Amino acid sequence: QVQLQESGPGLVKPSETLSLTCAVSGYSISSGYYWVWIRQPPGKGLEWIGTIYHSGSTYYNPSLKSRVTISVDTSKNQFSLKLSSVTAADTAMYYCARLTVTVFDYWGQGTLVTVSS
Amino acid sequence: QSALTQPASVSGSPGQSITISCTGTSSDIGSYNLVSWYQQHPGKAPKLMIYEVNKRPSGVSNRFSGSKSGNTASLTISGLQAEDEADYYCCSHAGSNTWVFGGGTKVTVL
Repeated sequence: QVQLQESGPGLVKPSETLSLTCAVSGYSISSGYYWVWIRQPPGKGLEWIGTIYHSGSTYYNPSLKSRVTISVDTSKNQFSLKLSSVTAADTAMYYCARLTVTVFDYWGQGTLVTVSS
Repeated sequence: QSALTQPASVSGSPGQSITISCTGTSSDIGSYNLVSWYQQHPGKAPKLMIYEVNKRPSGVSNRFSGSKSGNTASLTISGLQAEDEADYYCCSHAGSNTWVFGGGTKVTVL
């Protein structure tokens, strides 16, 4: 059974960088598929942040592209998200998920990140 | 890249059928048969219900079905049950390996 688990600070100060990691179990990232970050502000809808392939190829939401970096560590079977210059608008539940080319089939439980001083 | 348009809420009585629409553009829904639907209960992660417009993952009830016409996709829930009360989100490929979600629809079982 594929499982994903997000981890990282729950509180980030404005203008700083948000950093999250997604640990994958039950499937080797090196075997293929794509890995994504999706967020959901409180009471609002889902927003795709970006995607990474096991080879390291990345694709980002144009609205966030200038602030987002997604990386992968196949030796630890995990991938990470960095979002720079955060503001209160970046407060959200952040999910990691697996993308099987056409669909997000496995999701983590999510981690709430609050941007506040 | 704008969010897909969904009605904010849809309601129905137990046993009835409801349909949730998801309107995009010729750059997303209209160009790809890569529309998926996710169910989200409060405090939970989204769950895949439909993929590639009308395919159901193993374990998802056949009361859920999907379709697409032009730039609009739809999710139909037949034989509505109390457990179907949740938020539903559509999602489409939008070209260049990008993805766009709908704003979400709250389904209420009366």
